[in-house]
Amino acid sequence: GAGVSQTPSNKVTEKGKYVELRCDPISGHTALYWYRQSLGQGPEFLIYFQGTGAADDSGLPNDRFFAVRPEGSVSTLKIQRTERGDSAVYLCASSLTAGGVGTGELFFGEGSRLTVL
Amino acid sequence: DQQVKQNSPSLSVQEGRISILNCDYTNSMFDYFLWYKKYPAEGPTFLISISSIKDKNEDGRFTVFLNKSAKHLSLHIVPSQPGDSAVYFCAASGASGTYKYIFGTGTRLKVLA
Repeated sequence: GAGVSQTPSNKVTEKGKYVELRCDPISGHTALYWYRQSLGQGPEFLIYFQGTGAADDSGLPNDRFFAVRPEGSVSTLKIQRTERGDSAVYLCASSLTAGGVGTGELFFGEGSRLTVL
Repeated sequence: DQQVKQNSPSLSVQEGRISILNCDYTNSMFDYFLWYKKYPAEGPTFLISISSIKDKNEDGRFTVFLNKSAKHLSLHIVPSQPGDSAVYFCAASGASGTYKYIFGTGTRLKVLA
């Protein structure tokens, strides 16, 4: 498709389980971002990839969270030992390049809503 | 510590009138600002941006004003249309050259027909 694709759109899991969320960015976009949006809040930065490497993972809340982008395209956000506080909408975004050019626009996917019971 | 603040959680405006959404920030290092619009069950979509070297940017019905001394920006929508009803997020970025944006908590705009 033309836009950023995220799967699953909804995920319900039990506390302590492992979860993977997938993001397929717009073709040709080198920069990929993960954000998290909790209820009543704005999106909160988690991690940014430029190509295959994580250029900035300063927003990951703790070591239960990890993300990869092995071939510089699709990315997976992995959450171990999920907790109820992890419940949120996880948004992925991509852009053609990172920083300093264009309008600064990120193209967001529709998000993956994670509910931890 | 909320670096980007949208103090009005909601706003209702009559169709055809002006909508003014406000945003304040605390970090003087922010040099790039954007507004995103979000409909339910969709991801945020880019609306308009402004660099700190400007104080105004206009795109059709949407104008963003930046007051650096007050650390304040606003989005004006004229005339407002029912399709503008959505949550509007203000976002800011520092001089890091990346798109690591700090978002506000959003303002829900309702345009009444």
